[in-house]
Amino acid sequence: GAVVSQHPSRVICKSGTSVKIECRSLDFQATTMFWYRQFPKQSLMLMATSNEGSKATYEQGVEKDKFLINHASLTLSTLTVTSAHPEDSSFYICSAKNPGTAYGYTFGSGTRLTVV
Amino acid sequence: DAKTTQPPSMDCAEGRAANLPCNHSTISGNEYVYWYRQIHSQGPQYIIHGLKNNETNEMASLIITEDRKSSTLILPHATLRDTAVYYCIVSSGTASKLTFGTGTRLQVTL
Repeated sequence: GAVVSQHPSRVICKSGTSVKIECRSLDFQATTMFWYRQFPKQSLMLMATSNEGSKATYEQGVEKDKFLINHASLTLSTLTVTSAHPEDSSFYICSAKNPGTAYGYTFGSGTRLTVV
Repeated sequence: DAKTTQPPSMDCAEGRAANLPCNHSTISGNEYVYWYRQIHSQGPQYIIHGLKNNETNEMASLIITEDRKSSTLILPHATLRDTAVYYCIVSSGTASKLTFGTGTRLQVTL
C-alpha cells in the first residue's frame, strides 16, 4: 500500500534555531502534499498545501516566512520551522495525495517538535 | 467543504459493535464522506469512505443515510486496539484538502 515516510519522528531544538522536517512518498508520486499541526488534545489543523514545483498555499493565520515549505520533487516535501520558539512545540504531520488509491490521502507518522 | 458534527466521546465494550455517528447536513452532491482514526501520537489512518452507497471493508462498515446528511461508522467487533480518535470528514475527493473536525474519542474497555 501507499506509504508516506516522515522524518524525524522526534526532535528537540533550542529556541532561535531552525528545524527541517521531511515528508517522502515512498512508492508513489505526490504532486500535492499537506502539512498539519496538532497541539495536545486538539484536532489536526491544516497549515499549508504544498504543490510540486510551485509555491505552497498557506492557510489563514499561518506565517509563510516562519514555516518554509519546499516541494522540489514528486516524492519529497520539506517543512522548515525557522527561528523556533517554545510556542512552536507541536506535533507536525504531513499527508500526500495518492491518485493511485481509492481514498487518495496517506498520512505520515508525524514529528514531535519540542523547542527548549 | 461541508462541516461535520460528531459526539466528543463514546465508550464501547470489547467485542461489541461500535457505532460512531456523524452529521454532515450541508454536504453537497460531489462530496464524499471519509473516516480516519488517530491513535495517540501517530498519523491518521484511513478507514473507509463513501459517496452515497453503504460501504464495507476489512476494517469497518459505513452507513450513509439516503439524504446523505448523516452517516455511521460501524466497527463490528471492537478491540482494545480500536481505542482512538475517529474523524468524519467531508471532502470533494482527491481534488481537495482534508479539513479535520474535533472527532470522537472512542474508548474500548474490557
